[in-house]
Amino acid sequence: NAGVTQTPKFQVLKTGQSMTLQCAQDMNHNSMYWYRQDPGMGLRLIYYSASEGTTDKGEVPNGYNVSRLNKREFSLRLESAAPSQTSVYFCASSEREGSYGYTFGSGTRLTVV
Amino acid sequence: GENVEQHPSTLSVQEGDSAVIKCTYSDSASNYFPWYKQELGKRPQLIIDIRSNVGEKKDQRIAVTLNKTAKHFSLHITETQPEDSAVYFCGQTMELSFGAGTTVTVRA
Repeated sequence: NAGVTQTPKFQVLKTGQSMTLQCAQDMNHNSMYWYRQDPGMGLRLIYYSASEGTTDKGEVPNGYNVSRLNKREFSLRLESAAPSQTSVYFCASSEREGSYGYTFGSGTRLTVV
Repeated sequence: GENVEQHPSTLSVQEGDSAVIKCTYSDSASNYFPWYKQELGKRPQLIIDIRSNVGEKKDQRIAVTLNKTAKHFSLHITETQPEDSAVYFCGQTMELSFGAGTTVTVRA
């Protein structure tokens, strides 16, 4: 039982490049999330998907897009990377939005130079 | 924005002592209060949670207490050990947000 799988684990991008972070869960969870974690800033919500077919903006959505491809997969795309997007990105899932605990992926450490 | 305030931001305790972290929330409709532990370089992991219909929950050396009137909940770690050193986050699931984190260091 893999839980939440994120790829890649590490990535270095040049300013202006694009990339997609992949996330998949095998727990039959309805809700999935993307957070970024910066030193001293805690975890900040980028986008979330309460259920298959829906996506909503979080606290820091600018510069990102998401796709809930199916119930298992939720991807995060950076269209034109900027140094301010250097961060650790975590995908998470939960049984439902709101009153349920999260299972996190192992994270993607992204550096934009 | 931060919908849950977490204190303290750092906590250093002697091995064997207790550690207490407190979170204050604003949304009175909140009904689920989780705590996560994140070791250095690892993912956050759910360690304990509580729902609004109970005031306290224990799991071995950790416990969570909830005061709905005052809108705060706390994580208690007793008999601390070096492996308890980590960053701890409280969750505010109504807003899908987290506290800023508490870095706990257990001194041997």
